[in-house]
Order: sequence, then C-alpha cells, then structure tokens
Amino acid sequence: AQTVTQSQPEMSVQEAETVTLSCTYDTSESDYYLFWYKQPPSRQMILVIRQEAYKQQNATENRFSVNFQKAAKSFSLKISDSQLGDAAMYFCAYRKTSYDKVIFGPGTSLSVIP
Amino acid sequence: NAGVTQTPKFRVLKTGQSMTLLCAQDMNHEYMYWYRQDPGMGLRLIHYSVGEGTTAKGEVPDGYNVSRLKKQNFLLGLESAAPSQTSVYFCASSYSISSGRQETQYFGPGTRLLVL
Repeated sequence: AQTVTQSQPEMSVQEAETVTLSCTYDTSESDYYLFWYKQPPSRQMILVIRQEAYKQQNATENRFSVNFQKAAKSFSLKISDSQLGDAAMYFCAYRKTSYDKVIFGPGTSLSVIP
Repeated sequence: NAGVTQTPKFRVLKTGQSMTLLCAQDMNHEYMYWYRQDPGMGLRLIHYSVGEGTTAKGEVPDGYNVSRLKKQNFLLGLESAAPSQTSVYFCASSYSISSGRQETQYFGPGTRLLVL
C-alpha cells in the first residue's frame, strides 16, 4: 500500500528566509502525481504545487518549488522569501495515475517568525 | 462560482443522534470525496464518488454512508453518531482521471463536528 510520511511535525522560519519541508513516500508505481497542500487557520485546503512523476523537471510556483527525487522517493517543498501568510499546516499527498484516491501525509505545521 | 461549499460549518451531536453533511460543487466535477481530519493523522478518505449515482468506500468508511443523487451534491450521513466521529470533515471534488483535465482536488472549507 502507498504511504506518505512527513517527518517534521513542526517547523519554524524567520520572515524573508527560506525553509524546506520534507516528504517521503512509498510506492511501487512508476507513474503518479505528488502534491503539496496548504491549510491555514481558516482550514481551507489550498493546492500549492503539483508534480507529475514522469517529469524530471521540478515544479515551481512563484516562491514555492519542489525537489523531486524519484529514486529516493522524496518530494520536498522549498518556500523562499517566507511571508507571515505562509504560516499554515502543509500536507504532502500522493496519487497513483490511474487511481481515484489521494493519500495524504500527517502534515507539517509551519510557523513564520516576524 | 462558489467552488466547493459545505453545510453546516459546525455541529454538536449527542451520541446516537444522526445527521447529514452536505457538499455542493459548481465546477461540473465528476469526482467527489469525503475526508476526515484528525490531529497527527492527516486526512483520511471516508467515501468517494466517481459519478452521479455511484459511491465507493475509502480508508475509514465504517459508521458513515453517502449518496450522490445529483452530480453537484455529495451527502455524508452519520446514522448513529459516536464520540470517535468527532473530527473535521472535508469535502473535495475534481475532474475525472479520464477527462484529460487536471485532476487536482478542490476542497471545501470544512465542517467541525463534535459528538458528546
């Protein structure tokens, strides 16, 4: 069965600094999708970034980028120039290409220090 | 375009009571999902639907039932609430895998349920 692990329950970063959130996953599939979702105090789940496993190029969205290491089954999120609004829970998620379900990790709580 | 909406936002139930959570989406998505979120456990899939009139079990389906009579609505029912069902419930929707469109899930704002 597929699993998603986030080994950092809590992280903190100074405003304007860079922080990296870790995620590892376990799968025997070669084709799949990976996601990072952000959940602020409002509890709304917001998609931050998406990566297709068949693409070698790491996805980027403005200040957010990923380091996708397929062989190591690692999918870390880098947040550059951290802002107060980045404070939230961040969930890593996996979906097999031909599968309907998304598997979520337990989440990392990110605090941004002014 | 409201996206995904959930009703109610918050509810308190006594053990043994029943209730229905309503999820509605206006994006014409084929797929809809119900998750529960508990501290330290991330989101766990309860039930999901790949189209009108069809539903399937997720990771933690026991104690819940669902119905998808209309494409835009997905109902989650608790027939006899238990304290273990105290949680935050999220609904999500997406295009189908075969549609060729981006299958990213769009989430509702969540429903906080407390069972006493």
